[in-house]
Amino acid sequence: DSGVTQTPKHLITATGQRVTLRCSPRSGDLSVYWYQQSLDQGLQFLIQYYNGEERAKGNILERFSAQQFPDLHSELNLSSLELGDSALYFCASSVAAGGNGDTQYFGPGTRLTVL
Amino acid sequence: QQQVKQSPQSLIVQKGGISIINCAYENTAFDYFPWYQQFPGKGPALLIAIRPDVSEKKEGRFTISFNKSAKQFSLHIMDSQPGDSATYFCAASITGGGNKLTFGTGTQLKVEL
Repeated sequence: DSGVTQTPKHLITATGQRVTLRCSPRSGDLSVYWYQQSLDQGLQFLIQYYNGEERAKGNILERFSAQQFPDLHSELNLSSLELGDSALYFCASSVAAGGNGDTQYFGPGTRLTVL
Repeated sequence: QQQVKQSPQSLIVQKGGISIINCAYENTAFDYFPWYQQFPGKGPALLIAIRPDVSEKKEGRFTISFNKSAKQFSLHIMDSQPGDSATYFCAASITGGGNKLTFGTGTQLKVEL
């Protein structure tokens, strides 16, 4: 158990809908990262937050947004969902914003299925 | 644009054998190279990591070999066990660059008895 929690574990929804994925980082970790894992794209970095502020952005669609709250939990919002958004979404956390030995610990993921 | 290339896609090794997975990168700014292990239904977990100032790092049965000039690094699993059967991902990141990980495509390892 990495100490990172994600809810829900599974999510099934329809095209055009909007969903929110939630992540709680390990105790003491200030950074939260979101990754998407799909069969065709592999594991792709989406976005990073550090202590409430956006720190780095990857291949995140404009339909997707995220935020990190004062208690450091994070939410990933996916809107106008398309079939191609079906994937595993992982949250990871680390102590700092990135530096020597700043290991990322991954949660168990949320499996999103868009029908 | 795939910045980290990983091979093979799948690998079958006999129990007690050596498993070798290779990765190559393009961006010379990468300075942190971790390997993650993922079991079905679980998130990736850090296995071992290396920085380019050393050519090899060993932790138990797991060794990373790093060749900076060739921009390649590899994972060796000695005395492979059935419990090692998992998907392995190499990754790379830039210290101070937000720490985002760029992953390889993954290698499915199966260790047979």
